[in-house]
Amino acid sequence: GAVVSQHPSRVICKSGTSVKIECRSLDFQATTMFWYRQFPKQSLMLMATSNEGSKATYEQGVEKDKFLINHASLTLSTLTVTSAHPEDSSFYICSASPEVAEAFFGQGTRLTVV
Amino acid sequence: GESVGLHLPTLSVQEGDNSIINCAYSNSASDYFIWYKQESGKGPQFIIDIRSNMDKRQGQRVTVLLNKTVKHLSLQIAATQPGDSAVYFCAEKVGTYKYIFGTGTRLKVLA
Repeated sequence: GAVVSQHPSRVICKSGTSVKIECRSLDFQATTMFWYRQFPKQSLMLMATSNEGSKATYEQGVEKDKFLINHASLTLSTLTVTSAHPEDSSFYICSASPEVAEAFFGQGTRLTVV
Repeated sequence: GESVGLHLPTLSVQEGDNSIINCAYSNSASDYFIWYKQESGKGPQFIIDIRSNMDKRQGQRVTVLLNKTVKHLSLQIAATQPGDSAVYFCAEKVGTYKYIFGTGTRLKVLA
């Protein structure tokens, strides 16, 4: 199957700093990628749709100025959590599809804000 | 996000028994569904998929059933093994490349 790689897998940052998470499609091009957030013992919640070469589309209730998304190439999308606070601590996961069907997921990034 | 943030229900199954995990989806127009397995600290992994023109699809030890009348999916795992312990999510395709996830079920396999 297609491979989606996410980096870093774990990050700890101080409150008020920004953190960048990368999502790469390794063996296919993805014009669209998705970013999800998952709290412990909960399901994945779609945060935003990352569109190559254009602005991201955010789900209702997700602050676009806090969660900056850049999709500068067909194989890379980045999510930057700006001015992170402890309540931003979560598991962030990206996904991409090589075709209009199955979605492949990255390994996820565990963000801890202290 | 569109999925509901509820705490995960747990299904405990004896090793060797069959498991049945259920999922309700929301959009009657959804035409494609996937079951994912998520192990602790990892991203979801594809298990099996089904299109809306099918009622049943079988894989290796897994079967997915789709009931469009009541908007219900189930995942059946035959001869459950300890390695099957994980959280299982159904996902419905709601747009091009876009999926919405169900609440998930934690499967615990008892030795």
